[in-house]
Amino acid sequence: SYVLTQPPSVSVAPGKTARITCGGNNIGSKSVHWYQQKPGQAPVLVIYYDSDRPSGIPERFSGSNSGNTATLTISRVEAGDEADYYCQVWDSSSDHPLVFGGGTKLTVL
Amino acid sequence: QITLKESGPTLVKPTQTLTLTCTFSGFSLSTSGVGVGWIRQPPGKALEWLALIYWNDDKRYSPSLKSRLTITKDTSKNQVVLTMTNMDPVDTATYYCAHAGSGWDGGYYFDYWGQGTLVTVSS
Repeated sequence: SYVLTQPPSVSVAPGKTARITCGGNNIGSKSVHWYQQKPGQAPVLVIYYDSDRPSGIPERFSGSNSGNTATLTISRVEAGDEADYYCQVWDSSSDHPLVFGGGTKLTVL
Repeated sequence: QITLKESGPTLVKPTQTLTLTCTFSGFSLSTSGVGVGWIRQPPGKALEWLALIYWNDDKRYSPSLKSRLTITKDTSKNQVVLTMTNMDPVDTATYYCAHAGSGWDGGYYFDYWGQGTLVTVSS
């Protein structure tokens, strides 16, 4: 099945830009979705189809996808952005069509 | 407003069968393109997709768990049921159901989630 690789942790100072990567073989040919999960809460969709934001998600959250890496970018990071972030793809040709990455813990210093 | 809520036992014994129900509102599972999925998360670990059922009753399962899983829907009750057989302590996790939306490529993502239910497997 398709494998998505995320760094276990990313640290950033408040007001700076955080970039969380999601690696996969030719991931640029797939659509990538991103979720934010705060402790004790259910995940929340923050980016879908590489770069679209659901309503209510701040413009500080953006996404890109090319080659073998998709990236979630959080600008002007706030303390409230501290959370786990997961990428996800759908691979209709696979017998395991829906895959999550291993998650990245974002720490705001 | 779309909402989903999981219900079921909080404790099951090893080898027993787990039955979880997802009761939802704000959408119909008979609407073309709509799906409902189940995802679980062991304590301190990552999300793991389990199963997905489509509006047309098509179903997809995680290959590693396919032999143990069954997903069904009752459109009239706005419910989706997941059964998992032969439970083991490693299946201890928070189980989520979620509304699956799809887009231009037919791919699915989860745009609305239930609060999750913690299931512990222990004798």
